[in-house]
Amino acid sequence: AQKVTQAQTEISVVEKEDVTLDCVYETRDTTYYLFWYKQPPSGELVFLIRRNSFDEQNEISGRYSWNFQKSTSSFNFTITASQVVDSAVYFCALLYNQGGKLIFGQGTELSVKP
Amino acid sequence: SQTIHQWPATLVQPVGSPLSLECTVEGTSNPNLYWYRQAAGRGLQLLFYSVGIGQISSEVPQNLSASRPQDRQFILSSKKLLLSDSGFYLCAWRSPNTGELFFGEGSRLTVL
Repeated sequence: AQKVTQAQTEISVVEKEDVTLDCVYETRDTTYYLFWYKQPPSGELVFLIRRNSFDEQNEISGRYSWNFQKSTSSFNFTITASQVVDSAVYFCALLYNQGGKLIFGQGTELSVKP
Repeated sequence: SQTIHQWPATLVQPVGSPLSLECTVEGTSNPNLYWYRQAAGRGLQLLFYSVGIGQISSEVPQNLSASRPQDRQFILSSKKLLLSDSGFYLCAWRSPNTGELFFGEGSRLTVL
């Protein structure tokens, strides 16, 4: 079965701490995409990153970094030196079925306190 | 540039009334289109997706339906709303060429 698991329901850190959000996925497809989205309190979903199944290079974008490991079916997201504005719900998602279906994990609520 | 619009943004409806949420995409052709619901709590549940005009895949049995009468139009409907239909509905589109996925602003439905 195709599935995305974000085991961490809520995480609370103090500003400037590093934090890693975990994402584990299951799929039988050999070609698929993985995404991370941010949902701030306003409700809109903000695209952060897309990674295809053939590209295992880790990526860094400012304070954000992503670690994709096919061997463990994980696509973890790290925020370095967290800020209060990072407080949001973060979703990991899997696109499969020849690009047709996109399913989400349950989300991780990150709270960054000053 | 591509844009996606959903409306209405907020809706309060009595139980048993009909529903129509509309989503349109501009600036692209032949997008994959999706409807999600986010109930109280956080999970995003895939309701329907469409890879072309008239092609609808339903993910969960429910009293909702979807239609795609035009390439860039995706409509979510119900003939009779239930209390459990309350939630935040999000439309999304994906470019078959680039794989990028973008969401609309969302429609918040409250069924009383």
